[in-house]
This record gives sequence, C-alpha cells and structure tokens, in this order.
Amino acid sequence: AQKITQTQPGMFVQEKEAVTLDCTYDTSDPSYGLFWYKQPSSGEMIFLIYQGSYDQQNATEGRYSLNFQKARKSANLVISASQLGDSAMYFCAMREGQRLIFGQGTELSVKP
Amino acid sequence: NAGVTQTPKFQVLKTGQSMTLQCAQDMNHEYMSWYRQDPGMGLRLIHYSVGAGITDQGEVPNGYNVSRSTTEDFPLRLLSAAPSQTSVYFCASSYYDEQFFGPGTRLTVL
Repeated sequence: AQKITQTQPGMFVQEKEAVTLDCTYDTSDPSYGLFWYKQPSSGEMIFLIYQGSYDQQNATEGRYSLNFQKARKSANLVISASQLGDSAMYFCAMREGQRLIFGQGTELSVKP
Repeated sequence: NAGVTQTPKFQVLKTGQSMTLQCAQDMNHEYMSWYRQDPGMGLRLIHYSVGAGITDQGEVPNGYNVSRSTTEDFPLRLLSAAPSQTSVYFCASSYYDEQFFGPGTRLTVL
C-alpha cells in the first residue's frame, strides 16, 4: 500500500503567486515525521521543511510552510510568492522509525 | 565540512560487472542510508545503517550489499550489475530529523 501519495504529477504557477503541493500519508505509528525536499534539474536533494507528528504548530521556513492536518493525514507544502528558481521536482517524505519513505513527486513550473 | 560525498558521479558498467559506490560523511552521524531514484518512482530505500557494524535492508535490497566498518563510510556494492540497476543512487546521513543527501551517482548498466 502506498504510504506517501502525491496526486499532482505536474503543477503550474504564475510568478509571485502562492502554490500548494498536496501530500497525504498513511501510518499507524503515533510518532512520525514529515519532510519536503526540492530537487532542481541539477539533481541534488535540498531539504525544505520538517513537521513532527507531535508538533502543535504548522512548520514554517521562510517562504515555505507546511499545512499539517493530522486527522486528514495530509501535509501540504505551501510556497508563497513563487519565484522562477522554484521550478523543480518536490518530494514529500515520511520518517517511519529509521526509514524515510518518499512520494513520487510533483513537478512545479513557475511561469514569468 | 564537506557534508556527504559520493564517488563516482557517473559510471557505466556492462551486465555482470561488479563495482562499489562510495559514500562518506564528516558530520559524525550514526544513521546512513542508500536510495535509488528511477524516473517517476521517487526515491526508494535500498539499505540503511544505524551505526558502525549494523546494517539492515530497505525496500529494494536485492542485488546490493553494504557494510559499515566506520561511522564515516557506507559503501554500496553491486555484485553482478543488471540493466534494471540503471538509476541514480543517493547516499544520505541523518541527525535526528534531518537527512543530508550526497550529490548522487548516475549509474548506467548496458
């Protein structure tokens, strides 16, 4: 069964607008963590943001915020004020024990 | 502080050849792991280690061996390369809840 689901293979957003990338997860472990990574065309994996399952507040890092809805098992990434350099693949991942499980990714394209 | 380093960056093998992908980190992290990334598949965990002398299998371990003799190094061995192992390989090390990734090795098996 798929543990991390990203339902948007590709997304377009106009420069300077906000965009939400969807991620749903499935786990029975009460302790887990959720991550978002960015992978530009150069190929490296860049850590963006982390949310722990016991964190009370949604995580934020600069223009990135994580909309964590525990009851719905969703952890959507919100990018505010999109920039051309935000064009990349974005991966949602879940830490389950010592393992990190990735979704299939969403390709974001920012239009000028 | 070099972070996580991987060598080589690119490699072409013939079917049946063996090779070792190198991974090293200088952050004194206990946890290290290997992933492969295939088009449209995201990253899948091959093997991981929670400390020197301790390794375990991930989602897709077949055809790969690992060992962890030191905290710093975590090599991945392909015993007899197959075209299905053509992929990009990432090594990662972690401290608590953040995983640091190496730059990746692009492997092609002909």
